[in-house]
Amino acid sequence: AQKITQTQPGMFVQEKEAVTLDCTYDTSDQSYGLFWYKQPSSGEMIFLIYQGSYDEQNATEGRYSLNFQKARKSANLVISASQLGDSAMYFCAMRGDFGNEKLTFGTGTRLTIIP
Amino acid sequence: NAGVTQTPKFRILKIGQSMTLQCTQDMNHNYMYWYRQDPGMGLKLIYYSVGAGITDKGEVPNGYNVSRSTTEDFPLRLELAAPSQTSVYFCASSSIRLAGGTETQYFGPGTRLLVL
Repeated sequence: AQKITQTQPGMFVQEKEAVTLDCTYDTSDQSYGLFWYKQPSSGEMIFLIYQGSYDEQNATEGRYSLNFQKARKSANLVISASQLGDSAMYFCAMRGDFGNEKLTFGTGTRLTIIP
Repeated sequence: NAGVTQTPKFRILKIGQSMTLQCTQDMNHNYMYWYRQDPGMGLKLIYYSVGAGITDKGEVPNGYNVSRSTTEDFPLRLELAAPSQTSVYFCASSSIRLAGGTETQYFGPGTRLLVL
């Protein structure tokens, strides 16, 4: 079984500061994928970044980077130079090996950027 | 491309009524999924499909049915609506995974369902 844990229900961060959102996972699969999604107040799910379990480099997408520590089973999202538009719910998710295509989501972290 | 579209956007059902939530994708994706999101929670998988004619249960399938007769469409059926099915329903799709490639699930805008 797969499990995602996000231990920060809410965070407040000053604009322009960097922020790290925590995510730990558990799986018995050898190959898996890790995702971060953003859900603004409008409700849609916006894909941010993906990390494969065999990727040696940490994934980056613009201001987003994924701090992947495989031995610790953590996949933290780092947002550099936060903006007011970053205020949203953020979900960490994982899918398992080939044949196990389901995404398992964490409970999310509500990020609020303070001007 | 429209991506993943869902209808309706919002619906109120009475207990015991039935309805079908529609989902269509125009990206020729093999994989399609239905999730529900309860207030303040993450998404939970209801059903998924790896191709036309193939469906499988997710984490919370009870009270729902699906079918996948075409690559594009993946409707979700509620037969006897119950208050516990009040939620936001998201449909998603993804392509066949390639080893070493970036992947994502593309989500529709969601259907908000209220069962009274």
